[in-house]
Amino acid sequence: EIVMTQSPATLSVSPGERATLSCRASQSVYSNLAWYQQKPGQAPRLLIYGASTRATGIPVRFSGSGSGTEFTLTISSLQSEDSAVYYCQQYNDWPRTFGQGTKVEIK
Amino acid sequence: EVQVLESGGGLEQPGGSLRLSCAASGLTFSVYAMSWVRQAPGKGLEWVSTISGSGATTYYADSVKGRFTISRDNSQNTLYLQMNSLRAEDTARYYCATVPGSYRQFDSWGQGTLVTVSS
Repeated sequence: EIVMTQSPATLSVSPGERATLSCRASQSVYSNLAWYQQKPGQAPRLLIYGASTRATGIPVRFSGSGSGTEFTLTISSLQSEDSAVYYCQQYNDWPRTFGQGTKVEIK
Repeated sequence: EVQVLESGGGLEQPGGSLRLSCAASGLTFSVYAMSWVRQAPGKGLEWVSTISGSGATTYYADSVKGRFTISRDNSQNTLYLQMNSLRAEDTARYYCATVPGSYRQFDSWGQGTLVTVSS
């Protein structure tokens, strides 16, 4: 099983500042990686797939990068509505696995 | 717009059974693989199962293999999850999600249905 490890567990960022979230895979997943946003009481929402492709309707301030085992989700200018938990997920192999999540707080 | 709507959750005793349903609209259902993902209270996301567009191929997490069965009715645009031999650790909100070609990411998610296993 591919283990996905996210860091940090919690990130506190001021509005307008950049937020950088990391995700590491225990073995290469190539570019078969997605990022999801989950706000309290809501279902997860797809943000990024293929490590760097924004899903439909996702603002350009969200960007993804990386390949192999190291990935990054960047929120270029944090907005108040970006307060949420963010999960990475690999779809290179079965079972599909998620990271434990990074909670982004607005400072 | 793609929409998915789960139903069938509730309170069940350990060892009991439940059948979840997921109705999908706004897409050519048979073209999409479909998945179930669950989230225990206060915890992260856990993939449960995936089924191909035709229904011929299925995948399961080890934690549910042999107890849960995923199926679909393409004539009704509906996905199912038959859950048998339920355990306390199956308590979670169960989400249905669409999966584009070649079993890739989870595109569109429903709001989930809550399953509670308790005596």
